[in-house]
Amino acid sequence: DGGITQSPKYLFRKEGQNVTLSCEQNLNHDAMYWYRQDPGQGLRLIYYSQIVNDFQKGDIAEGYSVSREKKESFPLTVTSAQKNPTAFYLCASGTGATGELFFGEGSRLTVL
Amino acid sequence: AQSVTQLDSQVPVFEEAPVELRCNYSSSVSVYLFWYVQYPNQGLQLLLKYLSGSTLVKGINGFEAEFNKSQTSFHLRKPSVHISDTAEYFCAVGSYNFNKFYFGSGTKLNVKP
Repeated sequence: DGGITQSPKYLFRKEGQNVTLSCEQNLNHDAMYWYRQDPGQGLRLIYYSQIVNDFQKGDIAEGYSVSREKKESFPLTVTSAQKNPTAFYLCASGTGATGELFFGEGSRLTVL
Repeated sequence: AQSVTQLDSQVPVFEEAPVELRCNYSSSVSVYLFWYVQYPNQGLQLLLKYLSGSTLVKGINGFEAEFNKSQTSFHLRKPSVHISDTAEYFCAVGSYNFNKFYFGSGTKLNVKP
């Protein structure tokens, strides 16, 4: 079935460690997005990519990095520079034409 | 700049009652408006969208929304809710070329028996 797969679903990290969240899609979408979700704050855009080998910072990019080497993949690295990384992270993709975003099931990161 | 405001963080309602979830947006350009639903520990699913045309938009699960340009609103309504509608609902606005989407803070709908 077509969709977006995020892994891992749950992740624990010690302070000072980098961690990479995986996002893979088989929908043949050009655009991919990473959002961070915190209670009561909705979704905030971290990074987005319109095409392979190109990406732009969103509203809260500090402490995060991404790559887009393949159309299907858009991994997010949460670095030790991110001061408050504990959150629910959502990956999404879209075509732009219809405006609809398709979301993965999310990755919950907890920093111990 | 664009922004989305959902004034109600929580809305309790009894089963089979009508409900309205409010959404207001601000934008200096034409926008496209969306409502998404999120069940616990899951991603978001599209309920409905307004791109152009009729201001009354019908979506899945019996939901509808009305675009009001003069009031910059896009309120979500359902005439009779079910227990299964208990979830968090997000209003979102998209830029003209859809390269960015801005989400509201969400409204938790709690349907009681």
